[in-house]
Amino acid sequence: DTEVTQTPKHLVMGMTNKKSLKCEQHMGHRAMYWYKQKAKKPPELMFVYSYEKLSINESVPSRFSPECPNSSLLNLHLHALQPEDSALYLCASSQAVVVDSYEQYFGPGTRLTVT
Amino acid sequence: EDQVTQSPEALRLQEGESSSLNCSYTVSGLRGLFWYRQDPGKGPEFLFTLYSAGEEKEKERLKATLTKKESFLHITAPKPEDSATYLCAVLMFSGGYNKLIFGAGTRLAVHP
Repeated sequence: DTEVTQTPKHLVMGMTNKKSLKCEQHMGHRAMYWYKQKAKKPPELMFVYSYEKLSINESVPSRFSPECPNSSLLNLHLHALQPEDSALYLCASSQAVVVDSYEQYFGPGTRLTVT
Repeated sequence: EDQVTQSPEALRLQEGESSSLNCSYTVSGLRGLFWYRQDPGKGPEFLFTLYSAGEEKEKERLKATLTKKESFLHITAPKPEDSATYLCAVLMFSGGYNKLIFGAGTRLAVHP
């Protein structure tokens, strides 16, 4: 099973709202990732968790707050977003962050619209 | 500057018309190259990993190859269901960690 699930599929939120995106994998992977993808653009890395510890933050604004409660779950907490944050948010996982274990499996994404 | 460039940006093929997609890269310390397929509004689907020049991998109508400067994704006798955006991503070591850098993708449309 190479499935990564994400909820919700779609989210519309105002600029003053607080919401969370959720991601789950049951492949025993120890690395999980958040990416942001704008229309007709490639995915851009936001955060990397390795063994439930944040190992990479790609200078993402503090209105995005990641959390990894356990090895299977990854959350992205959203607060005071801007309309330009509207995008497809993708979660991915891999066995680890070392070279021969870096094959990433992506979830279907959450389509976020900020109004 | 580390860069991943895919060409063409868009490709239209007739069913059965074979072709190749290109991914060229200028990165220091390449550690691997990945190919993904992405359908509209969905997450990328993993296809292949290549680690060293000369390596080749095949899956159904797709074959990926790697040289020291570029990778090709060959599509043999494509079908309409092969229509998608194909992304390549380079694994490099930067700033103390491994990181995937994605190309902008090639949008493939296969018409019956």
